[in-house]
Amino acid sequence: QKEVEQNSGPLSVPEGAIASLNCTYSDRGSQSFFWYRQYSGKSPELIMFIYSNGDKEDGRFTAQLNKASQYVSLLIRDSQPSDSATYLCAVSSGGGADGLTFGKGTHLIIQP
Amino acid sequence: GAVVSQHPSWVICKSGTSVKIECRSLDFQATTMFWYRQFPKQSLMLMATSNEGSKATYEQGVEKDKFLINHASLTLSTLTVTSAHPEDSSFYICSARDRRLGTDTQYFGPGTRLTVL
Repeated sequence: QKEVEQNSGPLSVPEGAIASLNCTYSDRGSQSFFWYRQYSGKSPELIMFIYSNGDKEDGRFTAQLNKASQYVSLLIRDSQPSDSATYLCAVSSGGGADGLTFGKGTHLIIQP
Repeated sequence: GAVVSQHPSWVICKSGTSVKIECRSLDFQATTMFWYRQFPKQSLMLMATSNEGSKATYEQGVEKDKFLINHASLTLSTLTVTSAHPEDSSFYICSARDRRLGTDTQYFGPGTRLTVL
């Protein structure tokens, strides 16, 4: 059974600091990796996707993938109070053709 | 990003009735849509994969006769919860596969909160 593990938190980070979110997955066949942000009572919002080993940067966000270690991370630089949310890591075996397997999410709190 | 809508955003119904939820991709065509369910304090769980013009593929443990899925066009998929019971109360979220611009990602609709009395 495919599993995606995340620390549920809460993870508390001061405003302006770097928030580091981690995720591990069990299926070595996973090919696509996604980070979603979910505010309470709302549906997930795509932040980033990454397919290849290494780093991928988009604005204040950097996703890191290490397939050998089956590890994905998300860094948020210059954290803002509006970044406070639950961050969901999701993986897929076949890109967009397959449904996503989600972790339970990490609750991030940015302290003003 | 891509825009996906759902209707209704919330619904309250009596036990035993059926509820239909619509999922639409507004600015792109989606040959594949997905239906997820999220219980309180839980993560999203994939229920089924919906492909335009063919039968949906259901995840293990999801009753296909209870959760009817129809994907009749490239922009619309529907989920009908038949004979709903209180344990079906949940947050139902659809997503649509977007393959434009060389990417292959899923964008989520705003969700439908179902409460069965």
